[in-house]
Amino acid sequence: DAGVTQSPTHLIKTRGQHVTLRCSPISGHKSVSWYQQVLGQGPQFIFQYYEKEERGRGNFPDRFSARQFPNYSSELNVNALLLGDSALYLCASSLTGTRFEQFFGPGTRLTVL
Amino acid sequence: DAKTTQPPSMDCAEGRAANLPCNHSTISGNEYVYWYRQIHSQGPQYIIHGLKNNETNEMASLIITEDRKSSTLILPHATLRDTAVYYCIVRVAMEYGNKLVFGAGTILRVKS
Repeated sequence: DAGVTQSPTHLIKTRGQHVTLRCSPISGHKSVSWYQQVLGQGPQFIFQYYEKEERGRGNFPDRFSARQFPNYSSELNVNALLLGDSALYLCASSLTGTRFEQFFGPGTRLTVL
Repeated sequence: DAKTTQPPSMDCAEGRAANLPCNHSTISGNEYVYWYRQIHSQGPQYIIHGLKNNETNEMASLIITEDRKSSTLILPHATLRDTAVYYCIVRVAMEYGNKLVFGAGTILRVKS
């Protein structure tokens, strides 16, 4: 079975630009969460979606937004990129929003110049 | 949110048990303890989780103290491939979902 997939693998943007990151969950999983991992730190929670609805949001500015599609895939959008947005963006899927362990994808490495 | 405290790094000899400690003194009664590991900035890999009972699976054992303020992850026979960053995590319930609150992690180096 395929695991969580994310695209693109790497991305380079300049300050002020916009970026869209994509995630496909494990088949049968209905919940997707997004995390940001800055170099040398543990991942930080950004969003959780379940059944296409936002179920939780971390302490991130409104420049960060996300959505989940009917096939349970998800997009993370970041507007007005800052140098500090450079990080590994991780997507994790779980069966439901509350009860099961989360399985992580390989991440998208975003570099903002 | 509950937070976890782990030693920044540990060494372990190949073939020996690796015991990774974690403090989570502010954990709430319904919050689970999870352990994940991360190798070379790949996505974190699930290891094990528990609430208050000790747990064991094919990868590891999790020992949680009776007061739930600390736990220990045990890798029974460490191999070189177990070298990774190990995260002790609290799963925090939100109004409609849950999130994993990661700590800084422990770098485990398994040496031959």
